[in-house]
Amino acid sequence: GAVVSQHPSWVICKSGTSVKIECRSLDFQATTMFWYRQFPKQSLMLMATSNEGSKATYEQGVEKDKFLINHASLTLSTLTVTSAHPEDSSFYICSARRLLSGNTIYFGEGSWLTVV
Amino acid sequence: GENVEQHPSTLSVQEGDSAVIKCTYSDSASNYFPWYKQELGKGPQLIIDIRSNVGEKKDQRIAVTLNKTAKHFSLHITETQPEDSAVYFCAARTFGAAGNKLTFGGGTRVLVKP
Repeated sequence: GAVVSQHPSWVICKSGTSVKIECRSLDFQATTMFWYRQFPKQSLMLMATSNEGSKATYEQGVEKDKFLINHASLTLSTLTVTSAHPEDSSFYICSARRLLSGNTIYFGEGSWLTVV
Repeated sequence: GENVEQHPSTLSVQEGDSAVIKCTYSDSASNYFPWYKQELGKGPQLIIDIRSNVGEKKDQRIAVTLNKTAKHFSLHITETQPEDSAVYFCAARTFGAAGNKLTFGGGTRVLVKP
């Protein structure tokens, strides 16, 4: 099946610093990628939709200046958590929409962020 | 917007028995319904999906049924095995002005007891 890779799989950063998470579609092009946040024992919460070559669309309540999204190519989207705080600690997951398979959406393995 | 409800939230079955998870959705315009399996600490993995022009789809021990009139769809796992233990999420997707994002159910934690 299609593969979506996330990097890093886990990261620890200090409060006030920024951290970047990458999402790559390895064997297909993705004009649209999605970023989710998941708290323990909860469902996935959509943060934003990332469109190649244009600005991301953020869900209500998600700070666009806090969570910077860049989708510079058809295989790469990045999420940058700026000025991180402990409450930003979470599991961040990306997904990519594969156009040539009926718009099936595949997920990455997720990235654990811990802000200390 | 779309709202997806999933039941039960937890499900414990004996190895070899069947497991059924049910989801309902609110937006009649939704036309794509995937199911994902998520193991601890990992991202969701697509296990099966169904589109609105199909009523049932089967892949080995996994099957999904869709009732568009009632706006509900179900996941059926037969001959369950311990490795089926995970959290399962249903989702619904609507194509529209807001894009084609997925709306997820709350998840079902499945435990298969050997």
